Amino acid sequence: DTAVSQTPKYLVTQMGNDKSIKCEQNLGHDTMYWYKQDSKKFLKIMFSYNNKELIINETVPNRFSPKSPDKAHLNLHINSLELGDSAVYFCASSQGYPLGETQYFGPGTRLLVL
Amino acid sequence: AQSVAQPEDQVNVAEGNPLTVKCTYSVSGNPYLFWYVQYPNRGLQFLLKYITGDNLVKGSYGFEAEFNKSQTSFHLKKPSALVSDSALYFCAVRDGSNYQLIWGAGTKLIIKP
Repeated sequence: DTAVSQTPKYLVTQMGNDKSIKCEQNLGHDTMYWYKQDSKKFLKIMFSYNNKELIINETVPNRFSPKSPDKAHLNLHINSLELGDSAVYFCASSQGYPLGETQYFGPGTRLLVL
Repeated sequence: AQSVAQPEDQVNVAEGNPLTVKCTYSVSGNPYLFWYVQYPNRGLQFLLKYITGDNLVKGSYGFEAEFNKSQTSFHLKKPSALVSDSALYFCAVRDGSNYQLIWGAGTKLIIKP
């Protein structure tokens, strides 16, 4: 069983479109994250939720909106996609707050904006 | 300012030789230190962490890391490298004040047969 899963794995879309990426974890963790990894492999945290409450909201354009319907899911919706949004997006989860406990990562969603 | 530095973009090692991937940090309070590995086209995987206790921490796949408080370093080591160790390695530290994980830029490790 996959501990942290993301859908879709690949996403190719046109500039200006709206898209969503879904993340689910079956580890029973209470904290989930979204990361962006750019073409140079730099890893940047975008958001974090603990028990469905937003606890990290880094400097990310408000075109990005996370939603956590329950502790096991954290989805990422992106409006008006831009070329610079092309990257790999990773979902992760961990147990406990404060943050910094071992994080478990999903396989990533490769987003390409044309 | 809180920071993590991985001074080498790439490390090349011959198979069977010992390897070291360097990491230095600067945070307030006591650091919680982590190493993660990313294989091509995969998500990051946890390798090991230092919270407290022995300065030498053992982790997955035969890796270990040594916490050196005076040098503010947490270098990743392995006595004998395997070709399958070739991957991207990330060091991370938990900031003692706001608890957020701070990530290094990553080091690409290439093990040549």
